[in-house]
Amino acid sequence: EAQVTQNPRYLITVTGKKLTVTCSQNMNHEYMSWYRQDPGLGLRQIYYSMNVEVTDKGDVPEGYKVSRKEKRNFPLILESPSPNQTSLYFCASSFVTGYEQYFGPGTRLTVT
Amino acid sequence: AQSVTQLDSQVPVFEEAPVELRCNYSSSVSVYLFWYVQYPNQGLQLLLKYLSGSTLVKGINGFEAEFNKSQTSFHLRKPSVHISDTAEYFCAVSVPSSGSARQLTFGSGTQLTVLP
Repeated sequence: EAQVTQNPRYLITVTGKKLTVTCSQNMNHEYMSWYRQDPGLGLRQIYYSMNVEVTDKGDVPEGYKVSRKEKRNFPLILESPSPNQTSLYFCASSFVTGYEQYFGPGTRLTVT
Repeated sequence: AQSVTQLDSQVPVFEEAPVELRCNYSSSVSVYLFWYVQYPNQGLQLLLKYLSGSTLVKGINGFEAEFNKSQTSFHLRKPSVHISDTAEYFCAVSVPSSGSARQLTFGSGTQLTVLP
């Protein structure tokens, strides 16, 4: 089954404790992206990757890091989480940029 | 920069009534248009898309949308809604950026609530 998986689905952590949210897709997509969803703001792009070892900032990259060492995986790293990073995070992938995106189920992160 | 405006943040409607969710965007240059639906506690899934061709696009679950270039709009419609259509709906617009890349921008979402 074609899908994007994210782990964990739910995460509660404390300020400053490094964490990683994993994302994996099995569709051989070149393009992958991370979004955060906040009430009234829709989806805002954090980082994206157009291929292996090619990543770039989206609209709200501050406080986040990503890497793309393999085509299928695109982890999101929060080196020192802060409460304003409490949000719902989605990973997505597509064949090319700006085309139909396939979304993961989301990761709800709470930073206290 | 491209902007996408969903004019209504909340739309309540009674079951079996028609509904229209509005979406306007700022740039009409070579746009691709999408509507996504997000059910509670789930990710987004594609409802329908416009890339080229007929301006009336039909999607899943009886939804359709019409691309209106002159009005830069892509409104979503359904003639008769069901309780199960209660969800948040996102409009998204893709335009060319640099090289062969395109930039995708999402609207802020419309919460559709179908009342019995």
